[in-house]
Amino acid sequence: AQSVTQLGSHVSVSEGALVLLRCNYSSSVPPYLFWYVQYPNQGLQLLLKYTSAATLVKGINGFEAEFKKSETSFHLTKPSAHMSDAAEYFCAVSRAGNTGKLIFGQGTTLQVKP
Amino acid sequence: DSGVTQTPKHLITATGQRVTLRCSPRSGDLSVYWYQQSLDQGLQFLIQYYNGEERAKGNILERFSAQQFPDLHSELNLSSLELGDSALYFCASSVEGLRSDTQYFGPGTRLTVL
Repeated sequence: AQSVTQLGSHVSVSEGALVLLRCNYSSSVPPYLFWYVQYPNQGLQLLLKYTSAATLVKGINGFEAEFKKSETSFHLTKPSAHMSDAAEYFCAVSRAGNTGKLIFGQGTTLQVKP
Repeated sequence: DSGVTQTPKHLITATGQRVTLRCSPRSGDLSVYWYQQSLDQGLQFLIQYYNGEERAKGNILERFSAQQFPDLHSELNLSSLELGDSALYFCASSVEGLRSDTQYFGPGTRLTVL
């Protein structure tokens, strides 16, 4: 079975500081992993996805994530936080089988302080 | 703008009523997904269609039903509504409905059951 755990429901950083949002997954098959961002009153937007091509995945808005099989992790990072990064972030894994069903973590709200 | 449209944006109704949520996928996408987002359950997969056929089902209540039409738009029908059905309902679409697909999310329909 597939599952996702996001450590920390709220993360607060100062503007310009490193952003680190944690995601651990469980998957019975090689995983496809995704990070989505949700701004207030909007839908989800894909930041990046891992499909086994490369372990370090670069996404939009300066975000990147590293797939670590040994740690079953796919943490999201950004070297320098910007005020506009304040949002809710979701890690997701796609289910095994002939389906695109996504299983989401509980989400992490990122607060960026000036 | 993801290219996925959902109507209506907001819906307020009473317990026991029935509502229909509509989704138009991105041009060229054959698969449509429905997700429910609530404070207590987070983001939950409901159902997936591919080219008019049901492909996967999640924890969708029997009071809920969906379909995808020949023009590929989809409707989610919610009946005998309860207070607990109040949530944000997202539609997403992807090209082939596979594990590796990127899903593009619509802006959501916020349902309030009074």
